[in-house]
Amino acid sequence: EPEVTQTPSHQVTQMGQEVILRCVPISNHLYFYWYRQILGQKVEFLVSFYNNEISEKSEIFDDQFSVERPDGSNFTLKIRSTKLEDSAMYFCASSEARGAFTGELFFGEGSRLTVL
Amino acid sequence: EDKVVQSPLSLVVHEGDTVTLNCSYEVTNFRSLLWYKQEKKAPTFLFMLTSSGIEKKSGRLSSILDKKELFSILNITATQTGDSAVYLCAVWNIYGGSQGNLIFGKGTKLSVKP
Repeated sequence: EPEVTQTPSHQVTQMGQEVILRCVPISNHLYFYWYRQILGQKVEFLVSFYNNEISEKSEIFDDQFSVERPDGSNFTLKIRSTKLEDSAMYFCASSEARGAFTGELFFGEGSRLTVL
Repeated sequence: EDKVVQSPLSLVVHEGDTVTLNCSYEVTNFRSLLWYKQEKKAPTFLFMLTSSGIEKKSGRLSSILDKKELFSILNITATQTGDSAVYLCAVWNIYGGSQGNLIFGKGTKLSVKP
């Protein structure tokens, strides 16, 4: 069964360092998303991406964040200068069509980021 | 502010019990409501609901939406230990021709004891 894959599964970094989280969406999917979940809190929307550009972003997704689809398969989230409060599980998700019409967002297993 | 509220936040039951999980929402541009099950990491899709009063069923799980009262319930009958998980309710918020985003509730942590 096709799945969304994310790497790394866990990354520990020092405050101020740059981090890149990688995702390989399901191959025929066109819409991509990043969500995050701080421990004990709810899943929060960060950004959506379609046709090589950001469709929408939340207020969490400030200038320290960026997304890119550098080739035909990878979808990356870069955090430029990490802060302690960036520690969270970051989920990548993809959908074949606009989510509301199919309903289903396929989520990856997540990348746990720990900022020390 | 758009929000999705789930209750209870946690629930402990014994195998064989029936449980009802609640989700209420206030979302400006509602399009559909989704239920996910989160066991270890990735949320896995259970149901999508767009119309009021139409029950969706999958085995022992069922769900229904009330768009007038702005809530949904997820029922699990004859619970098993494998049902232990966090159940997430999420609402698609779509505005104009945008891609929209999923707004999640905090989840209900269900623990099923043998």
